[in-house]
Amino acid sequence: NAGVTQTPKFRILKIGQSMTLQCTQDMNHNYMYWYRQDPGMGLKLIYYSVGAGITDKGEVPNGYNVSRSTTEDFPLRLELAAPSQTSVYFCASSYSKLGGTDTQYFGPGTRLTVL
Amino acid sequence: RKEVEQDPGPFNVPEGATVAFNCTYSNSASQSFFWYRQDCRKEPKLLMSVYSSGNEDGRFTAQLNRASQYISLLIRDSKLSDSATYLCVVNPWSTGNQFYFGTGTSLTVIP
Repeated sequence: NAGVTQTPKFRILKIGQSMTLQCTQDMNHNYMYWYRQDPGMGLKLIYYSVGAGITDKGEVPNGYNVSRSTTEDFPLRLELAAPSQTSVYFCASSYSKLGGTDTQYFGPGTRLTVL
Repeated sequence: RKEVEQDPGPFNVPEGATVAFNCTYSNSASQSFFWYRQDCRKEPKLLMSVYSSGNEDGRFTAQLNRASQYISLLIRDSKLSDSATYLCVVNPWSTGNQFYFGTGTSLTVIP
């Protein structure tokens, strides 16, 4: 199992550009998440999905969009990049169990800089 | 009030020392608790789940105090390889499937 994979590893964008951060998991997890981590800060949830076709906003969804057409893939879209979106983005997945969710597994992250 | 609060440290301890971290959470209905480890510029990785009765994994011991709403992590006989940031994570099932992360506690083990 590759686990959770993310592409690209690094990206520099100009203000106003768009891009999609890719995330794929091969563990057949039904839950997937996108977080951002700013320097010296904790992870903040952007969006999450409890299964194919279902997505929901997290704590900081503004400026982002997601889709979940398959169990494996959960891309994150930035439409109009802004300097405030400079951050490290982590994708994660977990398997639901009765009464709650199991451990989250993280991808290696995408380091995004918006200039 | 933040969902999860941690002392950011840094904690600088000599090899072989015992060190403890605490974390408080605000949602009394929280049900799942974890400690994650994050190395510099890497993704968080699960260190251990925290169970109501407390649990131990080698040199690591996790405790949960529901009455005071805090969890702790004790590391005995610290190794250089323990140097990392330790993240406290809480999953209040009442809010769906969101996990709340603390900002992390930085640990450096000194030779």
